[in-house]
Amino acid sequence: AQTVTQSQPEMSVQEAETVTLSCTYDTSESDYYLFWYKQPPSRQMILVIRQEAYKQQNATENRFSVNFQKAAKSFSLKISDSQLGDAAMYFCAYVEGTYKYIFGTGTRLKVLA
Amino acid sequence: GAGVSQSPSNKVTEKGKDVELRCDPISGHTALYWYRQRLGQGLEFLIYFQGNSAPDKSGLPSDRFSAERTGESVSTLTIQRTQQEDSAVYLCASSFYLDSEGGYTFGSGTRLTVV
Repeated sequence: AQTVTQSQPEMSVQEAETVTLSCTYDTSESDYYLFWYKQPPSRQMILVIRQEAYKQQNATENRFSVNFQKAAKSFSLKISDSQLGDAAMYFCAYVEGTYKYIFGTGTRLKVLA
Repeated sequence: GAGVSQSPSNKVTEKGKDVELRCDPISGHTALYWYRQRLGQGLEFLIYFQGNSAPDKSGLPSDRFSAERTGESVSTLTIQRTQQEDSAVYLCASSFYLDSEGGYTFGSGTRLTVV
């Protein structure tokens, strides 16, 4: 069965600094999608970035980028120039060919002023 | 609507009572999903609707849980004889059919507290 693991329950970063959140997953599939979602206190899950497994190029969205290592089944999120508004829970998620996302347990990111 | 709307935002209920949670998806999104998020944990899949097809109920934790959706409109998740372990945030999401790879659009959830 597919699993998604986020080993960092909580991380802290100084404002304007860079932080990396880790995610590993387990699958026997070769074609799938990976996501990072942000959940602020409002509870609404917001899509931050997505990566298609068959694309070797790492996805980038403004200050957010991923380091996708397919062989290692690793999918980390890098947040550059951290802002106070980045403080939230971050969830890594996986889906392959179906609709059923598998989520990690989340990492709480604190941004220090 | 512009986004996925869920109601109520918060619900406190007594153990043993039934509750109904509502989700209004984005217009045009044929796929609708319910997830449960227990405190400090990730999201657990509950149920998936796609148009008029038979729903995937494989994530429902017990027969006390049921959900309905008529066509591509509103969905209700019903929990009968609530237990304290049902306390969680229940999140609804929607997407275009065959576009789950594009990412879901989530609502803000219903926080259910069973006392």
